[in-house]
Amino acid sequence: GENVEQHPSTLSVQEGDSAVIKCTYSDSASNYFPWYKQELGKRPQLIIDIRSNVGEKKDQRIAVTLNKTAKHFSLHITETQPEDSAVYFCAASLGNTPLVFGKGTRLSVIA
Amino acid sequence: NAGVTQTPKFQVLKTGQSMTLQCAQDMNHNSMYWYRQDPGMGLRLIYYSASEGTTDKGEVPNGYNVSRLNKREFSLRLESAAPSQTSVYFCASSRDSASGANVLTFGAGSRLTVL
Repeated sequence: GENVEQHPSTLSVQEGDSAVIKCTYSDSASNYFPWYKQELGKRPQLIIDIRSNVGEKKDQRIAVTLNKTAKHFSLHITETQPEDSAVYFCAASLGNTPLVFGKGTRLSVIA
Repeated sequence: NAGVTQTPKFQVLKTGQSMTLQCAQDMNHNSMYWYRQDPGMGLRLIYYSASEGTTDKGEVPNGYNVSRLNKREFSLRLESAAPSQTSVYFCASSRDSASGANVLTFGAGSRLTVL
């Protein structure tokens, strides 16, 4: 089955700097790659997703890139703010199979 | 529109006791899921139901059973709780797992402690 590796497990950045979180997946047939954000004590919520027919997607300060050949995808957050502090999860799935999540990255934005 | 509602929010059990976590969604979603979240382990799938009337095992099904009662409700049962089942449990739903875009809506979570 699919296996998703996520790095780093923790990340600290200064406010205003950029943050990058990377994930690799094992099943080359996977075609859907979402990112979820979980604030402390809250439920995970989708922040951005990308399909395998697209190389990059942006939504304001966040972007996701996908390299199908290398089987990895990344989340980029620019101009980080304290409210970006949270745990971020990447995930992958193929068609009608459930999402497989990475183990998460705890991002701390230092004011 | 409540989204995904799960109960209880907190529960403490003794080893060997049984309990059922309840989950209901009001978004007319076809697919429902139970995940557990442990520190450093991410979200691991326990069981899922792609559509009403079907259930399938996920990555960590041992010690659990599920029931898709109807399209809205999906319950998770621990028959004989063990300390290893201490975790935060999340129910989630998606419109259609076959669409190739499983956008999950999560419930608020249930924190279970087994002593």
